[in-house]
Amino acid sequence: SAVISQKPSRDICQRGTSLTIQCQVDSQVTMMFWYRQQPGQSLTLIATANQGSEATYESGFVIDKFPISRPNLTFSTLTVSNMSPEDSSIYLCSVSVGEHAEAFFGQGTRLTVV
Amino acid sequence: GQNIDQPTEMTATEGAIVQINCTYQTSGFNGLFWYQQHAGEAPTFLSYNVLDGLEEKGRFSSFLSRSKGYSYLLLKELQMKDSASYLCAVLDSNYQLIWGAGTKLIIKP
Repeated sequence: SAVISQKPSRDICQRGTSLTIQCQVDSQVTMMFWYRQQPGQSLTLIATANQGSEATYESGFVIDKFPISRPNLTFSTLTVSNMSPEDSSIYLCSVSVGEHAEAFFGQGTRLTVV
Repeated sequence: GQNIDQPTEMTATEGAIVQINCTYQTSGFNGLFWYQQHAGEAPTFLSYNVLDGLEEKGRFSSFLSRSKGYSYLLLKELQMKDSASYLCAVLDSNYQLIWGAGTKLIIKP
């Protein structure tokens, strides 16, 4: 298993500003995943963060809007840049470890943009 | 495209049994997961199926039929704390998780 500490747990931000979300894992992992979850909807993968290389972004997500850092095997950050109300969502970081590579998640960051 | 279908919402009575279905169409298959997500919390792992058949874990069981692209999660002896959303997710040929939208389960006394 893995324990992931994610912060902040929630924030209310002004449009046009940026917020950086941090995730710390209690073990070394090759890949970390960043998701967005709108209320009542599925998890949407934003990007996969590998240590030592640029993150891989999914269709509809770009590095300028969601820059990611992965300085080591236990830590990653996601920045939501130039925020608009449409960015209001829950953001989750995740790693896949264990016998079946099951996903473990941070506690989530509930972002509200006003 | 890839698609996972689950009912949006289900209601059941405390002490009863409920079955949550999941059908999937994905590019390849490397396993199916069920997760539980309480409101305002992150998903937590419940079960994993990669071969056809039933996997039992306490009050929860999960079934898989790969030929039918079908799985279900069976919850027995329902408790109020089982009120949550249940997410079905499939690991595709690229080992990427494809998530269903989740089924909100409401337990009534």
